[in-house]
Amino acid sequence: AQKVTQAQTEISVVEKEDVTLDCVYETRDTTYYLFWYKQPPSGELVFLIRRNSFDEQNEISGRYSWNFQKSTSSFNFTITASQVVDSAVYFCALSGGAGGTSYGKLTFGQGTILTVHP
Amino acid sequence: DTGVSQNPRHKITKRGQNVTFRCDPISEHNRLYWYRQTLGQGPEFLTYFQNEAQLEKSRLLSDRFSAERPKGSFSTLEIQRTEQGDSAMYLCASSSLAGGLETQYFGPGTRLLVL
Repeated sequence: AQKVTQAQTEISVVEKEDVTLDCVYETRDTTYYLFWYKQPPSGELVFLIRRNSFDEQNEISGRYSWNFQKSTSSFNFTITASQVVDSAVYFCALSGGAGGTSYGKLTFGQGTILTVHP
Repeated sequence: DTGVSQNPRHKITKRGQNVTFRCDPISEHNRLYWYRQTLGQGPEFLTYFQNEAQLEKSRLLSDRFSAERPKGSFSTLEIQRTEQGDSAMYLCASSSLAGGLETQYFGPGTRLLVL
């Protein structure tokens, strides 16, 4: 069975602060994919990033960066210089690789509510 | 590309009634997924289709739930004899296996309230 844990239920920061959202996962698949989604108050899940288990290179996209560490089964997400528009619920998710029983379907964490105050 | 669309966006019904939701995926996406999300939780997988074939159903999907994707394009999710515990957001996602990689893109969801 797969499992995703987001231990931080809520985080509150002031604009321009950096913030890191933690994600820890469990899987028996040798190949798997990790994702981050953003869910603003409107409710629609917005795709942010996909990471393959065989690629541990960290990634940066503008103010967003992701740190994937296979040794600790973690896939953390950092927002640099946070803005009010970053306020949302952020979900980490996991799916198995091709040929596995959990291929394609996403297992989500419980989400982290991020509030950025002006 | 237009995104995934879902209708209706909101549905209020009385316990015992049947409801049907529709999902229109991104055009040419061959995979379509249904998830359910309750308040304060992450989405949970319900079922998915590859083209018109329903390949997997979660144990969360009781006999009162049925999903179809008759022509491999739009999909419907029907809940018969609704119960108050069915109140949730129902999310649809679509994806393509092009290049062997898959990313699911979600619609805005249908929020169901069963009174």
